[in-house]
Amino acid sequence: SAVISQKPSRDICQRGTSLTIQCQVDSQVTMMFWYRQQPGQSLTLIATANQGSEATYESGFVIDKFPISRPNLTFSTLTVSNMSPEDSSIYLCSTNGAYNEQFFGPGTRLTVL
Amino acid sequence: QQQVKQSPQSLIVQKGGISIINCAYENTAFDYFPWYQQFPGKGPALLIAIRPDVSEKKEGRFTISFNKSAKQFSLHIMDSQPGDSATYFCAASSGTYKYIFGTGTRLKVLA
Repeated sequence: SAVISQKPSRDICQRGTSLTIQCQVDSQVTMMFWYRQQPGQSLTLIATANQGSEATYESGFVIDKFPISRPNLTFSTLTVSNMSPEDSSIYLCSTNGAYNEQFFGPGTRLTVL
Repeated sequence: QQQVKQSPQSLIVQKGGISIINCAYENTAFDYFPWYQQFPGKGPALLIAIRPDVSEKKEGRFTISFNKSAKQFSLHIMDSQPGDSATYFCAASSGTYKYIFGTGTRLKVLA
């Protein structure tokens, strides 16, 4: 299984600012995914990021709010823009295995004041 | 159609007991059903998964039971241990990598 790291592990940000979260995988992967997990809640897919193409966003998530980059096969970033307290969540990146499974990073815990 | 309903929301089990978590789905196109374990402050970790061509899969103390006609699947944790205390999520996908997650079950195993 892939080993995934995320930076930062946590952050406290002010309303109206932006935060970029980095996701690094220890091997080349085709697809990377970004999820949001609100406190005590389940995981919701934000977008799918393939290298060399624009990210595909799920209903309720837009590129202006959550721009994503995927510059190569081992790295992706998610930016949470113009943050509000409602954006306080854990943001998780994941990648796919060979048999439809997904492996998750440790998450970035974001608090917006 | 795209929902995966998970129950119970929380579960308390005595050490050595059996923990059972259930999930139900509507979309018959789902063909992959994983379970994830998440400890506080950590990302979800894949525990065990099943495809609908089998009715049961066992890995150590963890078993998935799958009932295709009822569109239900469940996780059984045998001989539950305090170290199993975590949140468990079921999920489903349909030939793609897009997962639909259940709402989660917070398990506490008493020593």
